[in-house]
Amino acid sequence: DGGITQSPKYLFRKEGQNVTLSCEQNLNHDAMYWYRQDPGQGLRLIYYSQIVNDFQKGDIAEGYSVSREKKESFPLTVTSAQKNPTAFYLCASSIVTGRHSYNEQFFGPGTRLTVL
Amino acid sequence: EDKVVQSPLSLVVHEGDTVTLNCSYEVTNFRSLLWYKQEKKAPTFLFMLTSSGIEKKSGRLSSILDKKELFSILNITATQTGDSAIYLCAGPYGGSQGNLIFGKGTKLSVKP
Repeated sequence: DGGITQSPKYLFRKEGQNVTLSCEQNLNHDAMYWYRQDPGQGLRLIYYSQIVNDFQKGDIAEGYSVSREKKESFPLTVTSAQKNPTAFYLCASSIVTGRHSYNEQFFGPGTRLTVL
Repeated sequence: EDKVVQSPLSLVVHEGDTVTLNCSYEVTNFRSLLWYKQEKKAPTFLFMLTSSGIEKKSGRLSSILDKKELFSILNITATQTGDSAIYLCAGPYGGSQGNLIFGKGTKLSVKP
């Protein structure tokens, strides 16, 4: 089945440690996105990538890093520089069309990160 | 600054009630507005609205866009407990290619 997967589902980390969240899609989508969701805050964009080997910062990129070495994969690293990393992290993907059109984003099941 | 504002932030109703969720937006170069339903995990797509005044329907859910007033509503008739979720409204950032700006969501709770 085509879809977008994230792992792990739950992740615990000690303060000061870096941790990497996985996101894989087999939808042949060019664009991939990482969002953070906090209670009452909606979704906020961390990083996005429109094409392999290229990515851009979103609204809250500080303390995070990403890579896009393959079309299917867009891992997110939460570094020790992120001051408040406990949150629910969602990955999404979409096709890329012309500048004047837009297509829906498909979301993965999310990873809940808790920093102890 | 582009923004999407949803109201109410939370709502509690009883089964069988009809609810209306609101979304107002200010995005440059408007192209579309999207509604998602989020239960426990991944948001799932409901509607994409691009034209003003044309209602989109899916079962008991319907949505309409008013481009002049920069407003959209999501209606749910004859609510069921399975409709309990967070409903998210989103619009593309002006000038961007595919990036969405989300509202904070409306948390709907349907009591039996």
